[in-house]
Amino acid sequence: GAVVSQHPSWVICKSGTSVKIECRSLDFQATTMFWYRQFPKQSLMLMATSNEGSKATYEQGVEKDKFLINHASLTLSTLTVTSAHPEDSSFYICSAPRAQGAYYNEQFFGPGTRLTVL
Amino acid sequence: GNSVTQMEGPVTLSEEAFLTINCTYTATGYPSLFWYVQYPGEGLQLLLKATKADDKGSNKGFEATYRKETTSFHLEKGSVQVSDSAVYFCALTMNQAGTALIFGKGTTLSVSS
Repeated sequence: GAVVSQHPSWVICKSGTSVKIECRSLDFQATTMFWYRQFPKQSLMLMATSNEGSKATYEQGVEKDKFLINHASLTLSTLTVTSAHPEDSSFYICSAPRAQGAYYNEQFFGPGTRLTVL
Repeated sequence: GNSVTQMEGPVTLSEEAFLTINCTYTATGYPSLFWYVQYPGEGLQLLLKATKADDKGSNKGFEATYRKETTSFHLEKGSVQVSDSAVYFCALTMNQAGTALIFGKGTTLSVSS
């Protein structure tokens, strides 16, 4: 199956610093990628849709100036958490869809990045 | 809007017991339905899927049937193993390019020997 990687797998940072998380589709191109956030023992909440060559689309309630998304190429999307605070500590997961014939939405997930802000 | 509701856990079973995790959905149109599994410390993995009504998805002994009349996609396994202990997420997506998944809240399954 298709592979999606994330880097780093975990990061600890000080409050006020910025953290960049990379999501790569390793063996296919993805014009769209999705960023999710998962709190402990909770479900995945869609944060934003990353679009190659255009601005990301953010879900309601997600601060676009705080969570900067850049879809730099057809295989790379980055999420930058700016001026991170302890409440931003969470598990961030990306996914990329790959067309499966007429069935568009076979989603492949990255392994996730655990962010801890001290 | 579209949504997924799944039974709250945790579900605690003994090895070889029968498992059912209920999932119902609300959607405008005809979604594809999925079950994902998240093992401790790992990322999400697709367990099974169904893309149209009456389809049955199956994998690793797990099954789920897309029931349009009851808008359900319940997950079942006849005999669970300790290694099945994980969090299970029901999800849907509308079959359009660039559409994200909508997840249920997840159900934690704990199987003891």
